[in-house]
Amino acid sequence: QQPVQSPQAVILREGEDAVINCSSSKALYSVHWYRQKHGEAPVFLMILLKGGEQKGHEKISASFNEKKQQSSLYLTASQLSYSGTYFCGTEDTGTASKLTFGTGTRLQVTL
Amino acid sequence: EAQVTQNPRYLITVTGKKLTVTCSQNMNHEYMSWYRQDPGLGLRQIYYSMNVEVTDKGDVPEGYKVSRKEKRNFPLILESPSPNQTSLYFCASSFGEIIGPLHFGNGTRLTVT
Repeated sequence: QQPVQSPQAVILREGEDAVINCSSSKALYSVHWYRQKHGEAPVFLMILLKGGEQKGHEKISASFNEKKQQSSLYLTASQLSYSGTYFCGTEDTGTASKLTFGTGTRLQVTL
Repeated sequence: EAQVTQNPRYLITVTGKKLTVTCSQNMNHEYMSWYRQDPGLGLRQIYYSMNVEVTDKGDVPEGYKVSRKEKRNFPLILESPSPNQTSLYFCASSFGEIIGPLHFGNGTRLTVT
């Protein structure tokens, strides 16, 4: 079963912040985040392993709450280059090495 | 240059005509996987392989076959393509037998008429 992402789409003005959520019904081992620009392949952002850690990547960071089986991606002071579709991928504790992606969150940053 | 290479980039075929989409990586990665991407459905895993001669079904394996005879290659085979297999396909690889950062190929857009 695919993890659920919210919101499905968001429009921001440059400089604004956004949060993208990813929720699973299964106990998770890891959460992965990717960004895909139109017409291109997905690009890796970060991986979070169970342990509730928070990771950062430029002005993009993420958290993982393993008890709630949720992860959130935080985009701070958004830039035009942040536009794209963001996917979370989850690896549950029962089926290692099987990465299941959500349906994506489309983010558009405007001037 | 480290990369995942898929061929062809575009393919139009007819129902029932067997086809193979090739995937090759030059990073000595253990893990390889195939995904299909459809509007509104995100990326769905077809098959994955943790090592040579080890393959496993993903979420949507019906109608597809794979093989992993060499570490670098992971072809996707459609024995009898149908229109519902029209999609954008991505091959991806990762170092190690557990999933690390996935490196994706550029995609293959398949149309089955």
